[in-house]
Amino acid sequence: DAGITQSPRYKITETGRQVTLMCHQTWSHSYMFWYRQDLGHGLRLIYYSAAADITDKGEVPDGYVVSRSKTENFPLTLESATRSQTSVYFCASTLDTFSFYGYTFGSGTRLTVV
Amino acid sequence: QKEVEQDPGPLSVPEGAIVSLNCTYSNSAFQYFMWYRQYSRKGPELLMYTYSSGNKEDGRFTAQVDKSSKYISLFIRDSQPSDSATYLCAMDPGNTPLVFGKGTRLSVIA
Repeated sequence: DAGITQSPRYKITETGRQVTLMCHQTWSHSYMFWYRQDLGHGLRLIYYSAAADITDKGEVPDGYVVSRSKTENFPLTLESATRSQTSVYFCASTLDTFSFYGYTFGSGTRLTVV
Repeated sequence: QKEVEQDPGPLSVPEGAIVSLNCTYSNSAFQYFMWYRQYSRKGPELLMYTYSSGNKEDGRFTAQVDKSSKYISLFIRDSQPSDSATYLCAMDPGNTPLVFGKGTRLSVIA
């Protein structure tokens, strides 16, 4: 399927566990992003990547790890999940820093940490 | 002060009404301005983008930018229940990721 795919759609995990959220895009877009969306905070950037093996911190990177060994994949790992990381996580991609087509978002992963 | 301010609403209007959604910003470096629409339990999708001051129209939607006032607006004419969603403004400083507003939740009542 063409597009940007996130998995899983829903995840419940326990405090202290490691969990990885997956993101896959089929367009060979250079830039990929991870956001979390919480009521009252809107979209907050966690990490982004300009290309394979290049990643940068966003606004709220603490407690998260990313990697990008292949252009099409950008997994987000919570090393030791905390309740404050309960959120909806969105992956996005774009061709360049600014694209007239904007960012294309996945459908999101709803993560609950209990 | 956040770089982008957007009233979260919620905003409830009757079908057929004209809707006005707004954002203010503080960073003069913003060059491109966008509006995203997000339906419940979905990811945001790009609705419109504009560059510099002025108006841009697309069907029932008009995006307006006033760089002198650091103010952008999205107008929806003849609003429909299918327009019920959260609308996020976004701004591009040029070489770093987009900065998003918190979003305004809109409900159009039939």
